[in-house]
Amino acid sequence: AQSVTQLDSHVSVSEGTPVLLRCNYSSSYSPSLFWYVQHPNKGLQLLLKYTSAATLVKGINGFEAEFKKSETSFHLTKPSAHMSDAAEYFCVVSGGTSYGKLTFGQGTILTVHP
Amino acid sequence: GAGVSQSPSNKVTEKGKDVELRCDPISGHTALYWYRQSLGQGLEFLIYFQGNSAPDKSGLPSDRFSAERTGGSVSTLTIQRTQQEDSAVYLCASSSRTSGGLSTDTQYFGPGTRLTVL
Repeated sequence: AQSVTQLDSHVSVSEGTPVLLRCNYSSSYSPSLFWYVQHPNKGLQLLLKYTSAATLVKGINGFEAEFKKSETSFHLTKPSAHMSDAAEYFCVVSGGTSYGKLTFGQGTILTVHP
Repeated sequence: GAGVSQSPSNKVTEKGKDVELRCDPISGHTALYWYRQSLGQGLEFLIYFQGNSAPDKSGLPSDRFSAERTGGSVSTLTIQRTQQEDSAVYLCASSSRTSGGLSTDTQYFGPGTRLTVL
């Protein structure tokens, strides 16, 4: 079984300040972990993924995430928020015998203030 | 190249009617997934196709839901006798097989079909 917990349902930052979106996972297997972003009325877009290679993963638009097995975490960070980053972010896990089925967290809505 | 497409983009139906939702995956992608996004339940897996076969149907919520895939390409999700709790955005995703295994493959999502059951 696998599950994901996104620790914050809403995060609000000012433009130019760092972003931290927290995610903890549970998996019986070595997981693959993803972050997807969904802008209003748009489809899901992959930001980055971890698949057992480097634990620090760099994604699009300056986002990165670090896989920490000891903490079962995969937090998403960005050094400097931009107005266009305002969206909903989903932490996702896959692995084991799940046929690639994705298990989504509940989502974190990021608001960026000017 | 073209991404995953879904039709219709919006569907409004009356309770008790049947609906069909269509997904066109990225050309050459052998794996196809359906998910549902609703306010109360978040994003949930429904069914997985590899080619025309569905090895995992574990997420289909009831026997009113069915799906098929033909020619290893287009997939149709059918909901019979729709209920108000079926109102949601239905998302389709596809992926191509890589050497790392299904769980490492990137799934590319379509824009979704917003279903409203009155």
